[in-house]
Amino acid sequence: SQTIHQWPATLVQPVGSPLSLECTVEGTSNPNLYWYRQAAGRGLQLLFYSVGIGQISSEVPQNLSASRPQDRQFILSSKKLLLSDSGFYLCAWSVRGANEQFFGPGTRLTVL
Amino acid sequence: EDQVTQSPEALRLQEGESSSLNCSYTVSGLRGLFWYRQDPGKGPEFLFTLYSAGEEKEKERLKATLTKKESFLHITAPKPEDSATYLCAVVRAYQLIWGAGTKLIIKP
Repeated sequence: SQTIHQWPATLVQPVGSPLSLECTVEGTSNPNLYWYRQAAGRGLQLLFYSVGIGQISSEVPQNLSASRPQDRQFILSSKKLLLSDSGFYLCAWSVRGANEQFFGPGTRLTVL
Repeated sequence: EDQVTQSPEALRLQEGESSSLNCSYTVSGLRGLFWYRQDPGKGPEFLFTLYSAGEEKEKERLKATLTKKESFLHITAPKPEDSATYLCAVVRAYQLIWGAGTKLIIKP
């Protein structure tokens, strides 16, 4: 069966510090991968998606970037965090060609 | 503009009191509508996919239905463990468009 991991689960970082969130998927090959941010009381906002190694599409211009160095690894990064980067970050995967997405446990990021 | 609207924002029910959650959408050529359950501090859990008007899916106390403009998530005789936020999403091209969710609270 497929499993998706995210770490860390929670993170508190000062403004201006760098960020690296990691997501890995097990039990499947060539998945589509997604990074979302969820604000309280609002729908999920798609940040990045990837259909393959090194292939990243950005949905929202912002302070964040994403990379996919391996088939089942997806990384969300920032060089300098802003207060507005605080939120709940979710990684998801889907089978290539299918629309159902399956989510990881999420990372709660607080920027102080 | 493609949009997904969920109502109500919050719903409080007594255990055993059945009700429905609504997801209305405006999207050209629906290619799929999804329901997810999300517990506090966790990632959304996939529940159902619906593709065409008239389609229904069931899982335990939940039943999802779809019309040309909206979907309903019916909850029959809910239990406290059904308390969660229920999210709806529709497919638009390569991505999902999400509603803000309905927070369901079931009181024992």
